[in-house]
Amino acid sequence: GAGVSQSPSNKVTEKGKDVELRCDPISGHTALYWYRQSLGQGLEFLIYFQGNSAPDKSGLPSDRFSAERTGGSVSTLTIQRTQQEDSAVYLCASSLGGPGTGELFFGEGSRLTVL
Amino acid sequence: KNEVEQSPQNLTAQEGEFITINCSYSVGISALHWLQQHPGGGIVSLFMLSSGKKKHGRLIATINIQEKHSSLHITASHPRDSAVYICAVNFGNEKLTFGTGTRLTIIP
Repeated sequence: GAGVSQSPSNKVTEKGKDVELRCDPISGHTALYWYRQSLGQGLEFLIYFQGNSAPDKSGLPSDRFSAERTGGSVSTLTIQRTQQEDSAVYLCASSLGGPGTGELFFGEGSRLTVL
Repeated sequence: KNEVEQSPQNLTAQEGEFITINCSYSVGISALHWLQQHPGGGIVSLFMLSSGKKKHGRLIATINIQEKHSSLHITASHPRDSAVYICAVNFGNEKLTFGTGTRLTIIP
């Protein structure tokens, strides 16, 4: 596609439910990143994929968070048993090369609200 | 510890003024990014730097590797430049460490 596409753009869920957030990067971009921006907070790195592999998952806040990427393209971030502190905007970005080698292109984000 | 500091946190200026936003970081880096985030909007990458200076329209970004410092300049500022400007750094790994952002408001 022309840009990084994320869905849903908004998600309201009840505490304890599972949610899936999707990111479709720019075609051909091998690197894909997930970040989180909580209300009034700065941006927080979650996870990075190079192809289908995630070399570093240490940014994920808890074991309720997981992410996968298939076919070197679409990625899904899954949050199990959501908590109110998970409420945030989840941003995805992609780049042609690896970290520090190329410009980042961001999606519009998925705003998650946990009631 | 890998840290990124931005200043000022908030900046209000009159239309037409020359704007400077600063970013300092603690240790050596592989790349530094300047990002722009409009209210309620997504994030746009303005520049990626590893050395020297880059210019795009009215925006100029510079980096001094020895001093571990980067600046983002806006010439002839305009109300549409009002946004949060974020400095983000690759400390030689895949994680981006973000500054807290500078909220810029340009008054007509």
